[in-house]
Amino acid sequence: SQKIEQNSEALNIQEGKTATLTCNYTNYSPAYLQWYRQDPGRGPVFLLLIRENEKEKRKERLKVTFDTTLKQSLFHITASQPADSATYLCALDRTNTGGFKTIFGAGTRLFVKA
Amino acid sequence: SQTIHQWPATLVQPVGSPLSLECTVEGTSNPNLYWYRQAAGRGLQLLFYSVGIGQISSEVPQNLSASRPQDRQFILSSKKLLLSDSGFYLCAWSVQADTIYFGEGSWLTVV
Repeated sequence: SQKIEQNSEALNIQEGKTATLTCNYTNYSPAYLQWYRQDPGRGPVFLLLIRENEKEKRKERLKVTFDTTLKQSLFHITASQPADSATYLCALDRTNTGGFKTIFGAGTRLFVKA
Repeated sequence: SQTIHQWPATLVQPVGSPLSLECTVEGTSNPNLYWYRQAAGRGLQLLFYSVGIGQISSEVPQNLSASRPQDRQFILSSKKLLLSDSGFYLCAWSVQADTIYFGEGSWLTVV
């Protein structure tokens, strides 16, 4: 069956350190992978998209890698801040005839301590 | 710029009562529209998506239905709510097959 797996345990790190979150998938061949941030009680907000032919993408303190052989994406936040505390979701495209569908992982909760 | 608005933000409904959640998108034409549900502490479950007026695809069998009466309007409905329908409902849109833009969500509690 198709699965998107993110670490269900919360990640606790100290301010200033690099946070690394993992997204693994099985039985998908996505053309791209995305990362979203979700704060409690709010809708997810898009952060980054990386395509299958890209190994790495950066945006300010964020970095995403995409390994289609390992079927894995890593999401890094460098110089983390307490304001980075949130749940981070990875998402894959699952394009089908007649429509587009994006499937989300359950997310990993990140806590950054001051 | 594009905006998405869904309402109501919160509602408490008795079991067996009907449901109507509405969502509208402004600033774009012919968007793909989605309804997701997020149970407490769980991931996002895709319920319905639509690529055009009157075109609805359902992801999972359930007692919910969706309609798209206008290009930028998406409605989630139920004739009789179940306790298991409680959750956080999110409307979303996209133009390409990639970035999804979410509304602020609607909290539904079925009692």
